Amino acid sequence: SQQGEEDPQALSIQEGENATMNCSYKTSINNLQWYRQNSGRGLVHLILIRSNEREKHSGRLRVTLDTSKKSSSLLITASRAADTASYFCATSYGKLTFGQGTILTVHP
Amino acid sequence: NAGVTQTPKFQVLKTGQSMTLQCAQDMNHNSMYWYRQDPGMGLRLIYYSASEGTTDKGEVPNGYNVSRLNKREFSLRLESAAPSQTSVYFCASSFLLSNEQFFGPGTRLTVL
Repeated sequence: SQQGEEDPQALSIQEGENATMNCSYKTSINNLQWYRQNSGRGLVHLILIRSNEREKHSGRLRVTLDTSKKSSSLLITASRAADTASYFCATSYGKLTFGQGTILTVHP
Repeated sequence: NAGVTQTPKFQVLKTGQSMTLQCAQDMNHNSMYWYRQDPGMGLRLIYYSASEGTTDKGEVPNGYNVSRLNKREFSLRLESAAPSQTSVYFCASSFLLSNEQFFGPGTRLTVL
């Protein structure tokens, strides 16, 4: 399976701190995507990084991809209480395969 | 633009009953998907449609059928509901298979 596996499963931080979530996968990919899900809602796409890219930024988000280690990380800088959500990585080789997610709690 | 819409939002069924979950997108996307989300399991792909006129099985297709009615609409049918199908169901769409996906708000289904 090429399913992404996130680490940690849960992360609790204070507002203003940085949050780092990791994703590992098993097989070749075309791209890797990160999604966010607020409680009870559908997923929202955050960022896509292609297999030939190593780093990508979007606002307070920074994503890295290391295809030799089959891993990716999502960094959220200067976190806010509103960042509290579940974050999923999804690997693409055709259709997407989602990991089980990291639950991020940001305390005010 | 409404994006991806799903109906109904909530549904309670008895074991053995049937129902159809409806999904529509107004973004002119080619690909559409049905996922289920269970606690601690992430999202699992049930069926997908890469383009109008095609459907394919995903990771957990047993007990489900789909219809790609046209480019906009993709429905999921449970012929004989079982308690194991209690879950939250999400529909999604994307321009192509590998592109970013846009999700609907979900249908919370309980099978008694």
